[in-house]
Amino acid sequence: DAGVIQSPRHEVTEMGQEVTLRCKPISGHDYLFWYRQTMMRGLELLIYFNNNVPIDDSGMPEDRFSAKMPNASFSTLKIQPSEPRDSAVYFCASSAFGTYNSPLHFGNGTRLTVT
Amino acid sequence: KQEVTQIPAALSVPEGENLVLNCSFTDSAIYNLQWFRQDPGKGLTSLLLIQSSQREQTSGRLNASLDKSSGRSTLYIAASQPGDSATYLCAVPFGNEKLTFGTGTRLTIIP
Repeated sequence: DAGVIQSPRHEVTEMGQEVTLRCKPISGHDYLFWYRQTMMRGLELLIYFNNNVPIDDSGMPEDRFSAKMPNASFSTLKIQPSEPRDSAVYFCASSAFGTYNSPLHFGNGTRLTVT
Repeated sequence: KQEVTQIPAALSVPEGENLVLNCSFTDSAIYNLQWFRQDPGKGLTSLLLIQSSQREQTSGRLNASLDKSSGRSTLYIAASQPGDSATYLCAVPFGNEKLTFGTGTRLTIIP
C-alpha cells in the first residue's frame, strides 16, 4: 500500500488567500484524522471522520477552517482566509478501526507558510 | 484530563548500545498506548501498539512495555543504529478517538 498521501508537500501563501490541503487515506481505513503540528503546541487534532462522516470538529480553531470527505478515498482541509498564525505542518492520518483498536498511519504532511 | 510526559527531551548514545525511552501518563484507565517515531520533515510512523491487557509488545529490535498501575511505558531499543535517530513519541487515546501525544524524546545515535 502507498500509505497516506498528502498534497502539496509545501504551500506558501499570502495572508487572506484560500488554502486547500488534500489527503488520500489508506484504502479500507474507516477513520481519517487531520492534525496540526507546531513547535509551541505539538500535535493537535483538528477533526476526524468515520466512514466519511465528520464526527468531532471541536479542534478546528475557528470558522476559517473547514474539512470535507466526499468519498472514502479523499479529504480536504480548507482555510479561508488564511492568517500567519495558521503556519504549521498539517498532517492527515488514517486508521482501520479507530485509535482505540488500531494504529494511526500518518502522511508526510503539508508545511504551510502564510506570509 | 490525560497528560503524557516523556523524559528526557533529548538523548544521545553511541551506536551499538541498548537504550530505554520513557513515557508517563496520568490516567491509568487507558485502552492502549502507541509508540511512534518521527523523522525530520516527515510524518509519524507507527512502531508499536500495546493494548491495555498486554504487558509488552515486540517488533524486531524494539520492545515496548506497559505498566498501567504505575502509569508508565518504556520503549527498549536493542543494539542501536544511526538509522534509529529520530524523535520518538508515545500517545494514548482518550475521549472521542483523540490521541494525547507526549512531547517526544529526540534520540541521536552517534556512529
